[in-house]
Amino acid sequence: DAMVIQNPRYQVTQFGKPVTLSCSQTLNHNVMYWYQQKSSQAPKLLFHYYDKDFNNEADTPDNFQSRRPNTSFCFLDIRSPGLGDAAMYLCATSGPGLQYNEQFFGPGTRLTVL
Amino acid sequence: GENVEQHPSTLSVQEGDSAVIKCTYSDSASNYFPWYKQELGKGPQLIIDIRSNVGEKKDQRIAVTLNKTAKHFSLHITETQPEDSAVYFCAASQEYGGSQGNLIFGKGTKLSVKP
Repeated sequence: DAMVIQNPRYQVTQFGKPVTLSCSQTLNHNVMYWYQQKSSQAPKLLFHYYDKDFNNEADTPDNFQSRRPNTSFCFLDIRSPGLGDAAMYLCATSGPGLQYNEQFFGPGTRLTVL
Repeated sequence: GENVEQHPSTLSVQEGDSAVIKCTYSDSASNYFPWYKQELGKGPQLIIDIRSNVGEKKDQRIAVTLNKTAKHFSLHITETQPEDSAVYFCAASQEYGGSQGNLIFGKGTKLSVKP
């Protein structure tokens, strides 16, 4: 089945130690999103790629970076995680053939910062 | 920019009863309104959506209504079952076109269905 895959599902890192989360998709969608979701809150968009074009939200901290080496993969890098970065990180995709902004989410990566 | 408000924040119903969740939006240019269901520890799943050219859409026990004049839309779940228990998010966006295509989410409704 076509899907959005996130690895790992659970990630533990230490305060200040860089961490990378990954997302892959078999939907052949050209748009990929990264969201941060804290407990009992709505997902908050960090940035997205439209093909290779990177679009950063104005309030996304510089501590968060992203890479998209090809259509299928996208990475979220947190350069120096703080305690406040502990959250669920969600990857979503959208693409051609979808008339409106239909987004398909992966299962998420739960990040713990010690 | 767009702002989406969602009510109630928590909703508890007995199995078999109906549940209704309401959202309002501020930007009249928004024309796509999806609803997501998020179970504990999982990513949001799209359960139903509606475009601005229709007023109602139904899929088995789930229906969504849209009032463009009043700028509000609602999710209706009939004959609720315990497996409907989850957090439900509404969202609004414009047809994809740069940042206007970004989904703006409501704050979520935690639905509990008691057996």
